[in-house]
Amino acid sequence: GNSVTQMEGPVTLSEEAFLTINCTYTATGYPSLFWYVQYPGEGLQLLLKATKADDKGSNKGFEATYRKETTSFHLEKGSVQVSDSAVYFCALSDSGNQFYFGTGTSLTVIP
Amino acid sequence: DVKVTQSSRYLVKRTGEKVFLECVQDMDHENMFWYRQDPGLGLRLIYFSYDVKMKEKGDIPEGYSVSREKKERFSLILESASTNQTSMYLCATADRGRQPQHFGDGTRLSIL
Repeated sequence: GNSVTQMEGPVTLSEEAFLTINCTYTATGYPSLFWYVQYPGEGLQLLLKATKADDKGSNKGFEATYRKETTSFHLEKGSVQVSDSAVYFCALSDSGNQFYFGTGTSLTVIP
Repeated sequence: DVKVTQSSRYLVKRTGEKVFLECVQDMDHENMFWYRQDPGLGLRLIYFSYDVKMKEKGDIPEGYSVSREKKERFSLILESASTNQTSMYLCATADRGRQPQHFGDGTRLSIL
């Protein structure tokens, strides 16, 4: 069946460090891929998305590229800030419009 | 700005009680969702609704029911609360499909 696997957390980085959060997926057909972010005490917000292979989603300095050959959608940011501390969720929507979330990766950025 | 409002941020109830969680949206979205969020399990879909009075079961509907009498309001009901329903509950909306786009801030529910 369809599923999303993302790297275990928690992740702790110093300010201005490079961030990668790995996400791989299993799906039939051609899914759309998403990253959501959940700041402390809040609900989830859609961060970025990509709807077909080789698309790159980007927002707020974060990027992720839809790699069909490696079934991956890794989240990256070149220089993290303390305000990026949050939980990040990878997700996919398959061709049947079902929606699947990963388990979330907690990121803490220290000054 | 778009708004999804959940009636309570924190709620404490007792085993066996009937519990109502309310969600209201101001975006005129057709689709509304209820998820629960647990450490290590991510988000799991309980129920969703694609129109007034319409509902579909998600992945974990047991012990829950829902009500959507008006387009803007989607209620989650715990018929007889149990301790294993202690969790964070998130409401979400979408203007089409099943991609949730806007989330409320969540209700942290504790069942004692």
